[in-house]
Amino acid sequence: DTGVSQDPRHKITKRGQNVTFRCDPISEHNRLYWYRQTLGQGPEFLTYFQNEAQLEKSRLLSDRFSAERPKGSFSTLEIQRTEQGDSAMYLCASSYPGTSGSKNEQFFGPGTRLTVL
Amino acid sequence: AQSVTQLDSQVPVFEEAPVELRCNYSSSVSVYLFWYVQYPNQGLQLLLKYLSGSTLVESINGFEAEFNKSQTSFHLRKPSVHISDTAEYFCAVKGGGYNKLIFGAGTRLAVHP
Repeated sequence: DTGVSQDPRHKITKRGQNVTFRCDPISEHNRLYWYRQTLGQGPEFLTYFQNEAQLEKSRLLSDRFSAERPKGSFSTLEIQRTEQGDSAMYLCASSYPGTSGSKNEQFFGPGTRLTVL
Repeated sequence: AQSVTQLDSQVPVFEEAPVELRCNYSSSVSVYLFWYVQYPNQGLQLLLKYLSGSTLVESINGFEAEFNKSQTSFHLRKPSVHISDTAEYFCAVKGGGYNKLIFGAGTRLAVHP
């Protein structure tokens, strides 16, 4: 297993367009997280899935954002009617529901850098 | 609510010198603390973590961090840095239910020859 993968790595779009990002977690990990990282800041939590259930959403996730994990494996994050303020790095992470130690360790993908013109 | 403050946005240091990257946290629940490193154009990699037990934790590449409950700190140290340690370092605390992480703003470590 090569770790968490994200696609695409870079996306440039025009304001008002819709974009969709994909995350493939480590295969045995049932927990999946999305974060957003803007320039000069640390990642901020967006949403969390356990298997296919979306159990927590941040207030940062406006109604233009939607995330899914239909079969409890890969996840997609869609942004509708993009705005320039959506420009950021979108990070996906996954973790394993094992011992208390391992379930607290999140493995991050390389991220998708979104630029909205 | 949990929060993390990284007191230095940038830390320049010469190669082979010691370095300390400061991190303070606030948490009303059991404290799980992490340091992640982010190299240019890459994702975050876990450097070390404190979950319980010994307050001094070490990484495989010479970094260490000490959990200090009374000072609510988790500073990262390395006695001798290398050029290859140049990166962004993020301190994080487990943020309540579902194990989401709350990150600090990051510290950019720049190691100069």
